[in-house]
Amino acid sequence: KAGVTQTPRYLIKTRGQQVTLSCSPISGHRSVSWYQQTPGQGLQFLFEYFSETQRNKGNFPGRFSGRQFSNSRSEMNVSTLELGDSALYLCASSATGAVTYEQYFGPGTRLTVT
Amino acid sequence: GENVEQHPSTLSVQEGDSAVIKCTYSDSASNYFPWYKQELGKRPQLIIDIRSNVGEKKDQRIAVTLNKTAKHFSLHITETQPEDSAVYFCAASGGGSNYKLTFGKGTLLTVNP
Repeated sequence: KAGVTQTPRYLIKTRGQQVTLSCSPISGHRSVSWYQQTPGQGLQFLFEYFSETQRNKGNFPGRFSGRQFSNSRSEMNVSTLELGDSALYLCASSATGAVTYEQYFGPGTRLTVT
Repeated sequence: GENVEQHPSTLSVQEGDSAVIKCTYSDSASNYFPWYKQELGKRPQLIIDIRSNVGEKKDQRIAVTLNKTAKHFSLHITETQPEDSAVYFCAASGGGSNYKLTFGKGTLLTVNP
């Protein structure tokens, strides 16, 4: 099976702009989670989707939003970008969306905000 | 919410030695504890996990132990090799943190030849 894929791999944006990142899960996986990775804060949970429904959300401002499509692909959007949003954004997919199940990560999207 | 503490933040060992990384968690309802390895510029890779109904799990040179009473779990790597050099993350999930992983800050392991 193909692994989790993310597009684009790199992005450079300026403050105030918005950005949309895409994640395609492993075939058959219905749960997609998003994480932000920074050197200072490590890996932080953004949100998780299962069957197009957001089931859990992390402690991020409302500028961060996401959605999931019927084919399980997911997008996350960040509006009004700030310098502090520069990070590696990782998505992870899980087979059943059960509470405790293995999550497999994509390669990430490196976002730089200038 | 869940809080995961990981120690040490850096660990340097000689090739062939063992390495141990320890994590503690705060939510007693957590029931799933994976470990990820992340090489520079690469994605986190799941290397082993353990569930709360098991005290120990082993996969070749890697083992994880869980002490539910003390709320801590550890990663053990034996006979370390230079290719084991990476950042290792522990995580916890379940209980009040359903559907999400709460990660420790990571341990940079360096295996010197």
